[in-house]
Amino acid sequence: SQQGEEDPQALSIQEGENATMNCSYKTSINNLQWYRQNSGRGLVHLILIRSNEREKHSGRLRVTLDTSKKSSSLLITASRAADTASYFCATDETGANSKLTFGKGITLSVRP
Amino acid sequence: DAMVIQNPRYQVTQFGKPVTLSCSQTLNHNVMYWYQQKSSQAPKLLFHYYDKDFNNEADTPDNFQSRRPNTSFCFLDIRSPGLGDAAMYLCATSRDTGAFYEQYFGPGTRLTVT
Repeated sequence: SQQGEEDPQALSIQEGENATMNCSYKTSINNLQWYRQNSGRGLVHLILIRSNEREKHSGRLRVTLDTSKKSSSLLITASRAADTASYFCATDETGANSKLTFGKGITLSVRP
Repeated sequence: DAMVIQNPRYQVTQFGKPVTLSCSQTLNHNVMYWYQQKSSQAPKLLFHYYDKDFNNEADTPDNFQSRRPNTSFCFLDIRSPGLGDAAMYLCATSRDTGAFYEQYFGPGTRLTVT
């Protein structure tokens, strides 16, 4: 069953702008991960945030997690055309034997 | 570079004709996963191996089977492909199944069923 739901489904921005993508989930989690997928390729891990963490940074990426609202956001600052891709959140549900459940993804287009 | 390799990248098979997709890894990870991803959908886990232990998802059709002859290789066998099995098949690995391990994905094999 699908755990994560990303919002919006599609996002188009100008190069240099910030992109914010949101993910909501339904059950208790151990961690939440964000992945990127370029068209026709495999997924690439971006960042993992544990359930006891509220914010994490990696380069131009900033992830927040609000377990009370069961939601996470991924912020990409100073976007580049190369950031054009689909972005997925994936949750590791408590007691689910560490199986990752992916959302449907957000399609981000960054216009040069 | 350590990586996850999938062959072939594109596979065309006929309706009902068995097909095998392969995955290899140089990461020496214990866990290997197979996902099915249809257009604009989330990757869906079919099964995974922890070392030699096979773990099937409850809703994976019997038509899909897997083999892991050694740590490095894992195969996905589709016994009688139907048109609905056309999809991208993604192989992934992780060091362990503990809660905080990221997964490393191969580039995927796009399967077309004619």
